[in-house]
Amino acid sequence: AQSVAQPEDQVNVAEGNPLTVKCTYSVSGNPYLFWYVQYPNRGLQFLLKYITGDNLVKGSYGFEAEFNKSQTSFHLKKPSALVSDSALYFCAVRDMNNNAGNMLTFGGGTRLMVKP
Amino acid sequence: DAEITQSPRHKITETGRQVTLACHQTWNHNNMFWYRQDLGHGLRLIHYSYGVHDTNKGEVSDGYSVSRSNTEDLPLTLESAASSQTSVYFCASSEYRGSDTQYFGPGTRLTVL
Repeated sequence: AQSVAQPEDQVNVAEGNPLTVKCTYSVSGNPYLFWYVQYPNRGLQFLLKYITGDNLVKGSYGFEAEFNKSQTSFHLKKPSALVSDSALYFCAVRDMNNNAGNMLTFGGGTRLMVKP
Repeated sequence: DAEITQSPRHKITETGRQVTLACHQTWNHNNMFWYRQDLGHGLRLIHYSYGVHDTNKGEVSDGYSVSRSNTEDLPLTLESAASSQTSVYFCASSEYRGSDTQYFGPGTRLTVL
């Protein structure tokens, strides 16, 4: 079975400071990993994904994430937070060896609050 | 531009009624998905489809059904709505299986009284 954990319900950061949103995963094989963002009353928007290759993945809006296989983590980062980054962030995983196809498992979400 | 739309955006219904939520995508994607979003649970997969006439059960499929008669549409039906089905429902689509990115609709907020 595949699972994702986002240990923080909420992350608070001041504008201009670096931010980290944590994600750990569990799969039996190799993972495909995704980050999505959800703004109020909107659907989820794709930010970035890790499939293979470089462990540091760069995505939309200046976000990046680092895949760490030994720690089974895929933390989302940004060097300098903006107030407009305030939103709900979801990590998702799919086991590469999962024969059930393109089925993602989502974490519970982390609310990011960036204060001026 | 290609997009994925859902209707209605808001729906209030009564326990026991049948409800159908629409999902329409113009990406021409083969794969379509229905999720529900609840506090503390993130998104959970209800049903999915890999193409016309193909449907599969997800993690929380009880009380829901889908049908896929064309590439563009995957309506979600609640056969007999229950208060436990009060939630926000999201439709998504993707072009390929495997590592492909899913694109989400704006969601439908369903309240069952």
